Order: sequence, then C-alpha cells, then structure tokens
Amino acid sequence: AAGVIQSPRHLIKEKRETATLKCYPIPRHDTVYWYQQGPGQDPQFLISFYEKMQSDKGSIPDRFSAQQFSDYHSELNMSSLELGDSALYFCASSPDRGSYNEQFFGPGTRLTVL
Amino acid sequence: AQKITQTQPGMFVQEKEAVTLDCTYDTSDPSYGLFWYKQPSSGEMIFLIYQGSYDQQNATEGRYSLNFQKARKSANLVISASQLGDSAMYFCAMREGPGNTPLVFGKGTRLSVIA
Repeated sequence: AAGVIQSPRHLIKEKRETATLKCYPIPRHDTVYWYQQGPGQDPQFLISFYEKMQSDKGSIPDRFSAQQFSDYHSELNMSSLELGDSALYFCASSPDRGSYNEQFFGPGTRLTVL
Repeated sequence: AQKITQTQPGMFVQEKEAVTLDCTYDTSDPSYGLFWYKQPSSGEMIFLIYQGSYDQQNATEGRYSLNFQKARKSANLVISASQLGDSAMYFCAMREGPGNTPLVFGKGTRLSVIA
C-alpha cells in the first residue's frame, strides 16, 4: 500500500539559511498535517491543510510557512533557521471518512541546523 | 493543562509477558478519538490502535488492545505476549472533535522488552 512520502529524509543547514521540506500524502487523502518533534520530545502540531486550504494552525513560528498544492502535495518552508529548529519533521495525511480519521505518518525529515 | 498524560517515562517487561501502558486524557468535547503510536529508534511513527469516544467496545488489533474507561478518562494500551521488537517509545494521542483535527500527544513511554 502507498504510504506518505517525505523528502529529503535528512537535511543539514547552517544558521540563518532556509529549508524546504516536501510531503506527498497517500493518494485520495485530502488532509495534510505537519508536526515537529524535538530531541526527546513528543510531536507538536504545526499546521494542517484540507483541500488545499489551511485548516488548523498550531505552534508554527512566523519564520515558517506552508502550503498545499493542486496535486495535494505540501511544502514546509523554513527561513532564518535557528539551532532550536533541529528536529524530526513529520508529515501525516488522512482521508475524509467522517468521524474516524486515522492519521498516517510519513518517515519524517531529520533537520540538523549547525 | 496537559491534555494527554502518560505517567510512565520508562517500562520494562519480560519477553512473552503482557504489559500495560497508561494514558489519561482531558477534554470537554463529547466527540474525540484516542490513538496509540509506536516510535522505534529509527524514528518513524507507526499507528497501532484507535478508540472513538462513542465506541461501545474496547478496540483490539492483534496483540494490542485498548482498555478504554470513559468515566476515568483513561485509555491504556495493553500489549500481550511482548516481543523484543516491541522495544520502542509509545505515544498516546488525542483528536478532539469530529473530522480532521490535529493530534495532541503525550510525553511518551519508553518500553524495553527483556529476553
């Protein structure tokens, strides 16, 4: 079965640089979520999109932005990177099946900021 | 206030034994969903089991079962016949309201299975 695809899997950047993370949801899933998991932490919700429109916003810094494109893939753009942005970034997708909507997670992108 | 509480930072279990991982939650929304995910050292987040607030029966998926006690607001994960490959971090998470709302995670429990 197709899974959520994230690229790149690993990314190393310097402070103040920019980074773009990509997410390809499972086909026919119309909602995409982004989560950030710092070292030894639980995942924190950043932002989500439903049918290409932003649907919920969590603790996403102003330096970050995201969008969902017409083919449903999503990109998380991160600017002015800080050391504290080093984390595992997950994308998840879910179908719209009414009240039960399981979220399927991608393998994550591990971002290291030096 | 913490919406999801996992009080066991670490647990040990003997291979082939059963283990219960605790999770309590806090919500005033009558419609919610409770999830358990497994995160091995490789980092991926693997879905294990789901319980909806209106589900009458406890969820089961193979060796995983969810002990749902609504009045106590607890959703404990029971793993039967533990295997070495079960060693991982386990997260309890909640979605409030119907539809595609984001998940709120607990701090996790690190399970170590001993041979």
